[in-house]
Amino acid sequence: AQKITQTQPGMFVQEKEAVTLDCTYDTSDPSYGLFWYKQPSSGEMIFLIYQGSYDQQNATEGRYSLNFQKARKSANLVISASQLGDSAMYFCAMRGLDQTGANNLFFGTGTRLTVIP
Amino acid sequence: DAGVIQSPRHEVTEMGQEVTLRCKPISGHDYLFWYRQTMMRGLELLIYFNNNVPIDDSGMPEDRFSAKMPNASFSTLKIQPSEPRDSAVYFCASSFLGGGKTQYFGPGTRLLVL
Repeated sequence: AQKITQTQPGMFVQEKEAVTLDCTYDTSDPSYGLFWYKQPSSGEMIFLIYQGSYDQQNATEGRYSLNFQKARKSANLVISASQLGDSAMYFCAMRGLDQTGANNLFFGTGTRLTVIP
Repeated sequence: DAGVIQSPRHEVTEMGQEVTLRCKPISGHDYLFWYRQTMMRGLELLIYFNNNVPIDDSGMPEDRFSAKMPNASFSTLKIQPSEPRDSAVYFCASSFLGGGKTQYFGPGTRLLVL
């Protein structure tokens, strides 16, 4: 069974500082993918970044980077130079096999990030 | 390019009424997903389609919920009769070539059943 764990219900960060949002996963599949989504107060779900299990390098997208530690089964999201607009819920998700045996996404419970001016 | 489109954005109805939520996926995407989000249960996958065919509806809460995808550009999620516990934000998402690929979400429909 696939499982995604986000242990931080809420995080605070000072504007312009970096912040790390934790995500650990559990899977027995050798091939999987890890995603981060942002959900601002307006409610939409915005795709941020993707890391494949076989990717040699950590994924980066602008101010977002994914600290992928395969042996520890962690895929933490690092946001550099935080901005007020980064205040939102952040969801980690993993690609895994669902009940039908097909690939699907499994979401964590989310971390609410608040950027302090 | 237009993203996933959902309508209505907000719906307030009374218990017992029928509710229909609509979704237009991104053109060319062959997978469509319906999710429900609540504070208590987080984000739950209700059902998903591949090439208009329902693949897994194990997440649909009960027979009051039904979903259809009559063509590649339109899907509906219907609740009949609605109950207060159905109050949630319902998201539609679409992806290309698989549920494990990046899913692009619509803005959601915020449903309140009184």
